[in-house]
Amino acid sequence: DIQMTQSPSSLSASEGDRVTITCRASQTISNYLNWYQHKPGKAPKLLIYAASTLQSGVPSRFSGSGSGTDFTLTISSLRPEDFATYYCQQSYSTRYTFGQGTKLEIK
Amino acid sequence: QVQLQESGPGLVKPSQTLSLTCTVSGGSISSGNYYWNWIRQPAGKGLEWIGRIFTSGSTNYNPSLKSRVTISVDTSKNQFSLKLSSVTAADTAVYYCARETTFHYYYYMDVWGTGTTVTVSS
Repeated sequence: DIQMTQSPSSLSASEGDRVTITCRASQTISNYLNWYQHKPGKAPKLLIYAASTLQSGVPSRFSGSGSGTDFTLTISSLRPEDFATYYCQQSYSTRYTFGQGTKLEIK
Repeated sequence: QVQLQESGPGLVKPSQTLSLTCTVSGGSISSGNYYWNWIRQPAGKGLEWIGRIFTSGSTNYNPSLKSRVTISVDTSKNQFSLKLSSVTAADTAVYYCARETTFHYYYYMDVWGTGTTVTVSS
């Protein structure tokens, strides 16, 4: 299976900050990489697919980049509603795997 | 817009079979090129993909669960289902269903249910 490793596991930041979350694949996955936002008790929400394509309705402060094995999710200016856990997921192999998650907390 | 809702028993005894259903509303489960997925999240842990089904009936499963998992679809009821046999406490989790969309060879889960908690305990 393709292992997905996110860093950091948790992150404290303030409203207005720029934050970057990293996801690394154990083998090349081209750009078959998706990012999700998950809040407690809610359905996970697709933010980005194909590594850098913003899902319809997702604010432009979210962006994704990367190809091969290394990927990033950037939030340009944190809003209160952005504090959540973020997951990457590879769709290169049909044995889908997620990163372990990055919990974004208010400083 | 399409919405998904999981349902099923919240408590299952060890060694028994966990059965969940995902009801699709706001659209037909048969329309479009969609896969229908199950994902779970044990308490305090990350997301684990369980498997998926296409409306033709073809399936893909997580190898670590494959021997115990069956995913099926009932187009007449606009539902798809998960069965996980021989459960143990390690199967205690929040279970999510999700629609997977394909676009130019990219696959992503764009609609999710809110999840249902299943506890395995005697």
